[in-house]
Amino acid sequence: GENVEQHPSTLSVQEGDSAVIKCTYSDSASNYFPWYKQELGKRPQLIIDIRSNVGEKKDQRIAVTLNKTAKHFSLHITETQPEDSAVYFCAPEGNTPLVFGKGTRLSVIA
Amino acid sequence: NAGVTQTPKFQVLKTGQSMTLQCAQDMNHNSMYWYRQDPGMGLRLIYYSASEGTTDKGEVPNGYNVSRLNKREFSLRLESAAPSQTSVYFCASRNYLHFSGANVLTFGAGSRLTVL
Repeated sequence: GENVEQHPSTLSVQEGDSAVIKCTYSDSASNYFPWYKQELGKRPQLIIDIRSNVGEKKDQRIAVTLNKTAKHFSLHITETQPEDSAVYFCAPEGNTPLVFGKGTRLSVIA
Repeated sequence: NAGVTQTPKFQVLKTGQSMTLQCAQDMNHNSMYWYRQDPGMGLRLIYYSASEGTTDKGEVPNGYNVSRLNKREFSLRLESAAPSQTSVYFCASRNYLHFSGANVLTFGAGSRLTVL
């Protein structure tokens, strides 16, 4: 099965700084790479995803980059704001359904 | 559209009791999933149903059973609840198309279960 690791497990940044979360996976057949955001007490929601035929995707202040050779992909958040504070999960998918990482708790300090 | 609806939102059980968590989606999705979420453990897949009429085990299926009643509904049953099953349970659905789009999971609001 897929082994998924996220780093770091917690991250604190000053408002306006950038944040980067890395996800490594083991299944070379993985072809879909999403990131989910879960605010306190809420359900997870997709914020950005990428497919294996694309190396980078941007959506305003967030971006995802993929390195298939090294089997990792990263979430980049620029100009962080207090509302970015949440837990972020990667969930790569290949031959098995989405396997979620253990999450990264991001705190944005105003 | 209500999206994914889970019931109940909260439940307290005694060890050995049984209960069923209900999930329904109104998005005509083909695939449905049950996850549990524990502190520091992320979301772990219990069971899933890739399409109506099929169910498969996920990462942590022991102590659970599921029923895909029809395309809309996917229930999770605890036959004899144990304290280790205290968790927040999320149902999710999507239209799964391998090597294609529409892989986004839509989650329900969650069900908080406590087993004493």
